[in-house]
Amino acid sequence: NAGVTQTPKFQVLKTGQSMTLQCAQDMNHEYMSWYRQDPGMGLRLIHYSVGAGITDQGEVPNGYNVSRSTTEDFPLRLLSAAPSQTSVYFCASSYSWEPTYEQYFGPGTRLTVT
Amino acid sequence: DAKTTQPPSMDCAEGRAANLPCNHSTISGNEYVYWYRQIHSQGPQYIIHGLKNNETNEMASLIITEDRKSSTLILPHATLRDTAVYYCIVLNTGTASKLTFGTGTRLQVTL
Repeated sequence: NAGVTQTPKFQVLKTGQSMTLQCAQDMNHEYMSWYRQDPGMGLRLIHYSVGAGITDQGEVPNGYNVSRSTTEDFPLRLLSAAPSQTSVYFCASSYSWEPTYEQYFGPGTRLTVT
Repeated sequence: DAKTTQPPSMDCAEGRAANLPCNHSTISGNEYVYWYRQIHSQGPQYIIHGLKNNETNEMASLIITEDRKSSTLILPHATLRDTAVYYCIVLNTGTASKLTFGTGTRLQVTL
């Protein structure tokens, strides 16, 4: 299993540009989520999905859209990039939404918005 | 979810046990204690979790006090590869798994 994969690894955007961060998992996990990590800080939840077709907002959802059309993929869209969105983005997946199941994290996408 | 308090940093000699404390004095009865770690900006890695009994797996042991207000993660024989930021997280079992990461404890393992 490749586990959780994220692309790209690095990205530089100009203010106002849009882009999609890709996340895929090959473990048939129902639960997927996106976090961002700013320098020196812990991770903060952006959006999550408890299954295909179902998404919900986390702690910091503004400026981001998600959709979940398949079990495997959970892309994160930046609608109009802002310098405040400069961060490292992590995708995670878990067998179930229930907290008793551990989450597996991807390697991250490092995004810089100028 | 209950808040947690961890020391910002700790040192440990290689080969010795690393004991990382966590205070969660407002924890409620249906909340689990989770530990994750993050090695040098990689994605976080699950370590262990527990409700009220002590737990052990191949990576670590988790000791939860009887009143559940605090816990200790024990790495029995720390190695240089265990140098990381360790996060203690409390999660309510009744809702979706939304991890709330604080700033954690930065563990430095030295020779």
